[in-house]
Parts: sequence; structure tokens; C-alpha cells
Amino acid sequence: NAGVTQTPKFRVLKTGQSMTLLCAQDMNHEYMYWYRQDPGMGLRLIHYSVGEGTTAKGEVPDGYNVSRLKKQNFLLGLESAAPSQTSVYFCASSLGLAGLYNEQFFGPGTRLTVL
Amino acid sequence: DQQVKQNSPSLSVQEGRISILNCDYTNSMFDYFLWYKKYPAEGPTFLISISSIKDKNEDGRFTVFLNKSAKHLSLHIVPSQPGDSAVYFCAASGLKTSYDKVIFGPGTSLSVIP
Repeated sequence: NAGVTQTPKFRVLKTGQSMTLLCAQDMNHEYMYWYRQDPGMGLRLIHYSVGEGTTAKGEVPDGYNVSRLKKQNFLLGLESAAPSQTSVYFCASSLGLAGLYNEQFFGPGTRLTVL
Repeated sequence: DQQVKQNSPSLSVQEGRISILNCDYTNSMFDYFLWYKKYPAEGPTFLISISSIKDKNEDGRFTVFLNKSAKHLSLHIVPSQPGDSAVYFCAASGLKTSYDKVIFGPGTSLSVIP
């Protein structure tokens, strides 16, 4: 039981390049989330999904797209990376909706640097 | 404007003593609060939570206190151990707020000195 896994762990991009971050969970959770963590700002929600085939915007969605084609996977895409997207990205999943008293399980994070 | 604040970026405590981590919130509609713990190079893990109908919740060495009138909560760790050295995030949510979101504070880095 691996829990929540993320690939890659580290990535360096040049401004304007694109990439996809992959999140996978083996807990059969309906809900999945993408956060970014920046110094002094805590975790901010980018996008989330309430089930296979669904996505919704979070607090800071601009510049990102997501897809949830399979229940166990949640992809985060950057179409044209910008230095402001340099951050640590965390994926999370939960059995019920996080805002409704449900614990979230987090992946180990992806450290992205955009030059 | 941050709705969940942790005004101490870092805290150092001697092993065996009490660690007290503080958290303040501005939205009076929050009714559920959580603490997550994060080690370097790992994702946050759930530690303890409290509902607004309670003012205290205890789990082993960890106790969370909630003061609704002051919009303040605190996490007490007694006794502190070196393995408790980590970043602690306070988070808030609730049915009466944006129920699809959990709002995280910026975190407090705790160092427990042997």
C-alpha cells in the first residue's frame, strides 16, 4: 500500500516550457487535490477533483490545468511555465471532501524550479 | 489576507519540556480545525483535529485547545521528543464556509533539542 505517490520528485524547467506532474493513489479515494507550498504562505489549493472525470478550481488555478481520467490518477499540467510557478507541489487525496471534516493524505511533493 | 495565521515561524524546545504551537483564525464561520505535521522531503501527515463544539481534544502526547471567542487554537506536545522536530501546519474548514476547501496556515518549524 503505497498511499499517495508523485512523479517526478524534482524538475527544473525553463520559462515557457511545459510539463505534467503525476499523482497516483491506491486508497480508492474519490477526492484528490493539488496544492502548492511557498515560503511563509502555507499550502494553497490549485485544483481539486470530486471523482473520476471531474475537476474544479481552487484558490490559485491560473496557469495550471488538471485532468482526472482515472480514479487513481490526478495530473497537473503547466502549459507555459513561469518563474512564479517555482514552488513545491503536493498532491493529496481523501475519502470524503476535505472541507467536510475528512483527513487528507499527502504525497511526498515535487520541487519545481522555473528559470 | 491570511485567514489562518501562525505568527511564530519557528520554535525551539528542550527535550522533555512542553511545546506550545499557536494558531489564530479570522473567519468565525470555521468550525473544524486540524493540525498536520511535516518532515523534510515528505508530505504533511494528519496529527489531530478538533470540532468547534469542543474546547479540547487529546491524543497521547498531543492536545489541541480551542478558544472560539478569541479565535485561537494551540497544540501542546508533552513531553517533547527529538522526533517531534518538524513543521506543523494549522488548518481550518467547515460546512458553513467554503466546504470544498481547507485553509492552511504558513506553518511553525519546531526544533526539539536533545
